[in-house]
Amino acid sequence: GAVVSQHPSRVICKSGTSVKIECRSLDFQATTMFWYRQFPKQSLMLMATSNEGSKATYEQGVEKDKFLINHASLTLSTLTVTSAHPEDSSFYICSAREGGVDEQYFGPGTRLTVT
Amino acid sequence: AQSVTQPDIHITVSEGASLELRCNYSYGATPYLFWYVQSPGQGLQLLLKYFSGDTLVQGIKGFEAEFKRSQSSFNLRKPSVHWSDAAEYFCAVGAKEYGNKLVFGAGTILRVKS
Repeated sequence: GAVVSQHPSRVICKSGTSVKIECRSLDFQATTMFWYRQFPKQSLMLMATSNEGSKATYEQGVEKDKFLINHASLTLSTLTVTSAHPEDSSFYICSAREGGVDEQYFGPGTRLTVT
Repeated sequence: AQSVTQPDIHITVSEGASLELRCNYSYGATPYLFWYVQSPGQGLQLLLKYFSGDTLVQGIKGFEAEFKRSQSSFNLRKPSVHWSDAAEYFCAVGAKEYGNKLVFGAGTILRVKS
């Protein structure tokens, strides 16, 4: 149980375009989802926390207008990188947490490359 | 501010030797503690976790970790390392008081010599 999927696993886009990444909890209802970013040879940094049906809470230094997060259902959250630039190239990982459970379950990650 | 320190960026051990990866944290609340492993280009796999209770925690793949509150540490150990253990290991800390958000250490890359 407690499986989280991400789609796509890899995406290449041109500079200036937008790209959407999906995060799904497959066998539980995720009241909270977290989005992390991992640059090469670095650790994971939390970008934002989203609760189903409400606006995401962004960490300091993360541009909310650039990284749009939607958590419209208990099994799906999306991260849209708008007007992507090469410096946005990174590994994006989501995690999901079921209400009343303190553990997060991680997705396999999405490799974004902006050319 | 919450922080997690993994003082060793790289560690190399011989196959069959014992392993200890260090993790220290600074946290303003009763912490939940985790160790994750990540292979290149892959997501995170949970090795073990500590929420409360017995301070010696057993995990998957023969790993264990001990929570020492007095030292603010949660070191990961394995008595005999296998070549397949080569990967990057992350210690993470969270707390219900902070919305269960996780703070990760910088990671330790484990290399295994045959």
